[in-house]
Amino acid sequence: EVQLVESGGGLVQPGGSLRLSCAASGFTFSDHYMDWVRQAPGKGLEWVGRIRNKANSYSIEYAASVKGRFTISRDDSKNSLYLQMNSLKTEDTAVYYCARVRLGTTKVFDIWGQGTMVTVSS
Amino acid sequence: DIQMTQSPSSLSASVGDRVTITCRATQGISNYLAWYQQKPGRVPKLLISAASTLESGVPSRFSGSGSGTDFTLTISSLQAEDVATYYCQKYNSAPYTFGQGTKLEIK
Repeated sequence: EVQLVESGGGLVQPGGSLRLSCAASGFTFSDHYMDWVRQAPGKGLEWVGRIRNKANSYSIEYAASVKGRFTISRDDSKNSLYLQMNSLKTEDTAVYYCARVRLGTTKVFDIWGQGTMVTVSS
Repeated sequence: DIQMTQSPSSLSASVGDRVTITCRATQGISNYLAWYQQKPGRVPKLLISAASTLESGVPSRFSGSGSGTDFTLTISSLQAEDVATYYCQKYNSAPYTFGQGTKLEIK
């Protein structure tokens, strides 16, 4: 079964750090670009960032709202995606989803994890 | 950056109604447009890619159209299980922006 499972969420104080993980199974993780998407409570979806595959030099893109504070990485040997979040702000409170990008030219999010909640509060 | 605007933000319709949701981009994105459905308390699900290509397993009452800056998602005959928030998303280049969502309810 194709599956993404996030972990690492929790309560953190403003200015703090947190590292999220996303474990992939059921597909060749190393072939795919992978993204993070978040959703604040009661709000819409916000794209956070993307990491491409080895063939595309593991290049990374970030949303302006997180650039310089968040770092995306991956370990293909462990079929895992990571999101290191530093200098957290209250507005970073959200459910964080990892999402698989479909292979080929239609780069849509075809598989989503169940999400992990991050709460930034004092 | 290109912004994506959906209308309406919320919609109430009766079972059997034809429902149309619009998504507009501030610049042309060709057909690099996806639609996602998020049912209450659930994870988003891909419905349509390339503006009009229905994903496998998605009921045929769903359809998408458009190109350039104007896109529509249509449900030909609304069913109770279609209650959800629908999001469009551009995927031609970063940032891969979502629309603000359209919340669909049953009247």
